Amino acid sequence: NAGVTQTPKFQVLKTGQSMTLQCAQDMNHEYMSWYRQDPGMGLRLIHYSVGAGITDQGEVPNGYNVSRSTTEDFPLRLLSAAPSQTSVYFCASTSGGLNYGYTFGSGTRLTVV
Amino acid sequence: RKEVEQDPGPFNVPEGATVAFNCTYSNSASQSFFWYRQDCRKEPKLLMSVYSSGNEDGRFTAQLNRASQYISLLIRDSKLSDSATYLCVVNPGGYNKLIFGAGTRLAVHP
Repeated sequence: NAGVTQTPKFQVLKTGQSMTLQCAQDMNHEYMSWYRQDPGMGLRLIHYSVGAGITDQGEVPNGYNVSRSTTEDFPLRLLSAAPSQTSVYFCASTSGGLNYGYTFGSGTRLTVV
Repeated sequence: RKEVEQDPGPFNVPEGATVAFNCTYSNSASQSFFWYRQDCRKEPKLLMSVYSSGNEDGRFTAQLNRASQYISLLIRDSKLSDSATYLCVVNPGGYNKLIFGAGTRLAVHP
């Protein structure tokens, strides 16, 4: 199994550009989330989904949109990139259940100049 | 106050040492707890869940004290390969929204 696949691995954007970070999982997990990781701050939740067609905001949703049209895919859209969005982005999924941890993708390193 | 707090370290220990990491969480209603390991420039990977009765996985022992809102991870007989950042993670309940601590860095040297 591939697990959680994120693309691209690296991206440089100019301020104001938009782009979509792709995330796909092949484990039939209902729960998927997007996190960003910045130095010294830990991972922070951007958006999450509890199933196809259902999404909600996390701790830091501003500037990002998500959709969940299928169980497998959970893309993250940056609407108008800003330097403050320079970060490492991780997509993660879980089958649910309180003691089930998340499986993470390998991350996307985004730089906004 | 951060929801999950950890000592950032780094902890520099020799091979074979025993090292303990601590973590506190602010939400007393939190329902599940984890330790993740993150290698440099890699994704976090689940190390172990933490249960109220305490649990052990080889050289790793995790403890939870709900009354004090405190979680610990003990690593015995440290290996060079244990060098990584250890993330304390809490599920406050509902929709599996995990809250991550900033991590404690461990460096094991020969």
